[in-house]
Amino acid sequence: DAGVIQSPRHEVTEMGQEVTLRCKPISGHNSLFWYRQTMMRGLELLIYFNNNVPIDDSGMPEDRFSAKMPNASFSTLKIQPSEPRDSAVYFCASRGDVYSYEQYFGPGTRLTVT
Amino acid sequence: DAKTTQPNSMESNEEEPVHLPCNHSTISGTDYIHWYRQLPSQGPEYVIHGLTSNVNNRMASLAIAEDRKSSTLILHRATLRDAAVYYCILRDASNFGNEKLTFGTGTRLTIIP
Repeated sequence: DAGVIQSPRHEVTEMGQEVTLRCKPISGHNSLFWYRQTMMRGLELLIYFNNNVPIDDSGMPEDRFSAKMPNASFSTLKIQPSEPRDSAVYFCASRGDVYSYEQYFGPGTRLTVT
Repeated sequence: DAKTTQPNSMESNEEEPVHLPCNHSTISGTDYIHWYRQLPSQGPEYVIHGLTSNVNNRMASLAIAEDRKSSTLILHRATLRDAAVYYCILRDASNFGNEKLTFGTGTRLTIIP
């Protein structure tokens, strides 16, 4: 099993540009999570999906952030326009079903906005 | 959300047991105790979880106090690979399907060769 796949692994962009982060969950998993990690705020849950439907997006910082899950094998997190304070490591995680407890995290995307 | 308190950092010698404490004095009856760890430059990984009884798996043991206000993650024989930040997290299971995990600051474990 390849695990959770995230791309790109590193992204450097200029303020104001659109950024799209991608995630492929583990095959067969029903839940997908987007997290953000910074030194100041630690690891924060941004949004999660069950069966491709967004369940809780209360962690999404503002309207500049949006997430989609068009099918069970793909999700995107988009930031438009990006700002320097969005610089962070963004993790995607997936989970099997409601009876399993383990979230499997991807390697993360390190985003730098200059 | 019920909160957890962990020491910021701990050190342990290689090949010795490690006991990582976590206080959760406001835990509710439906809160599960989860432990994750994050190795350097990696995403977090699940370690273990429990509700009331002590739990063992291939990675670690979880000892839960009788009143559930504290718990201890036990690594039986630490290796250099166990150097990581360890997070103790409470997950509210009263809402079936509740997925949220709220990570705190964790304990940074250093293993001394």
